[in-house]
Amino acid sequence: GQQVMQIPQYQHVQEGEDFTTYCNSSTTLSNIQWYKQRPGGHPVFLIQLVKSGEVKKQKRLTFQFGEAKKNSSLHITATQTTDVGTYFCAGSSNYQLIWGAGTKLIIKP
Amino acid sequence: ETGVTQTPRHLVMGMTNKKSLKCEQHLGHNAMYWYKQSAKKPLELMFVYNFKEQTENNSVPSRFSPECPNSSHLFLHLHTLQPEDSALYLCASSPYDRGVRLAGGEQYFGPGTRLTVT
Repeated sequence: GQQVMQIPQYQHVQEGEDFTTYCNSSTTLSNIQWYKQRPGGHPVFLIQLVKSGEVKKQKRLTFQFGEAKKNSSLHITATQTTDVGTYFCAGSSNYQLIWGAGTKLIIKP
Repeated sequence: ETGVTQTPRHLVMGMTNKKSLKCEQHLGHNAMYWYKQSAKKPLELMFVYNFKEQTENNSVPSRFSPECPNSSHLFLHLHTLQPEDSALYLCASSPYDRGVRLAGGEQYFGPGTRLTVT
């Protein structure tokens, strides 16, 4: 079946370091969404990418959608403690929304 | 955020109990969803309702029974659950385009019900 693979499962970074999570789909996506879930919280919508090769920025977060619309990435520059949580991608394909397993961002003390 | 509310927030039930989870959205959306979130697993879509009609049922056991009386309210009725059903149950809503079977738009989640089956 259709899958969206998200890697890595966990990423430990020092505060101030960068963080990146990647999503790869087995099929071409019509769009991809990104969500953040804080510890103990619920997923919160961050952004949706629709166009091939699209790049969007939200302050220190940069979102990219691949040219083939099969992969996407989220990059956080200079992480802060407020960035802690799990980041999920969700791709739309054949009228289904397929969720990645999430990448947990952990800030090292 | 109060756009999507869920009650109760926590629920402990025995395997022979019957209980219901409630979700209400105040965003004017027409699509509502039930998800199951277990530790170390992707979000599992359980049910989708569009304009009060169920459009998705992803092979969910019959011990879970959804109900959508209107576009703002969604229930999940539970009976004879198993311990492996313990999880966070999330409700979400999104806008819906009649021309599309499933909305590709953003989803707004409620805070979830943490369910423990003993």
